[in-house]
Amino acid sequence: AQSVTQLDSQVPVFEEAPVELRCNYSSSVSVYLFWYVQYPNQGLQLLLKYLSGSTLVKGINGFEAEFNKSQTSFHLRKPSVHISDTAEYFCAVSPLGAGSYQLTFGKGTKLSVIP
Amino acid sequence: DVKVTQSSRYLVKRTGEKVFLECVQDMDHENMFWYRQDPGLGLRLIYFSYDVKMKEKGDIPEGYSVSREKKERFSLILESASTNQTSMYLCASSLPRIQGADQPQHFGDGTRLSIL
Repeated sequence: AQSVTQLDSQVPVFEEAPVELRCNYSSSVSVYLFWYVQYPNQGLQLLLKYLSGSTLVKGINGFEAEFNKSQTSFHLRKPSVHISDTAEYFCAVSPLGAGSYQLTFGKGTKLSVIP
Repeated sequence: DVKVTQSSRYLVKRTGEKVFLECVQDMDHENMFWYRQDPGLGLRLIYFSYDVKMKEKGDIPEGYSVSREKKERFSLILESASTNQTSMYLCASSLPRIQGADQPQHFGDGTRLSIL
């Protein structure tokens, strides 16, 4: 079984400041890692994912995340946030393998960008 | 672009009613999923289906059932609605994952269900 811990439930940050949203996971097997974003009154959109290879992955809207296997972390970063980044962000994992698969989500982090 | 459509954005039902939530996808995806989203709890998987008439329980299947008679449609059924089932329900779909690669899940906009 897998579990995901998002260490901050809410993160306020001023516009144009950098931000880091923290995610730690636990799993007895190797996993793929994901960050999703949910804007108000919408479903989830995939921001980025780590499958293998380089531990630094870049996603949409200027976000990036770094996979750290020894610390079982997958923190999301953006060097300069914009008002439009205000949303809820979810970290998720799924076991490796083909066919059907399940995602296990963290509880979410609400990012509020202050003008 | 993949389109996942949930039939209602908002729904209000009464305790004890049988409730149907419908989800349709237009990309011929084999996998379909129902999640429940509650504040402070994130998304939890209720059921998923990897083919027509096939279903698997997720983490919180109690009080729910599902139906997948056609590939494009996946229905979530609350057999006898209770107030603790008031929540946001999200449907998603995906292709089967290929070994070494990923097929992302595409989400609908959600149905906010209130049970009175």
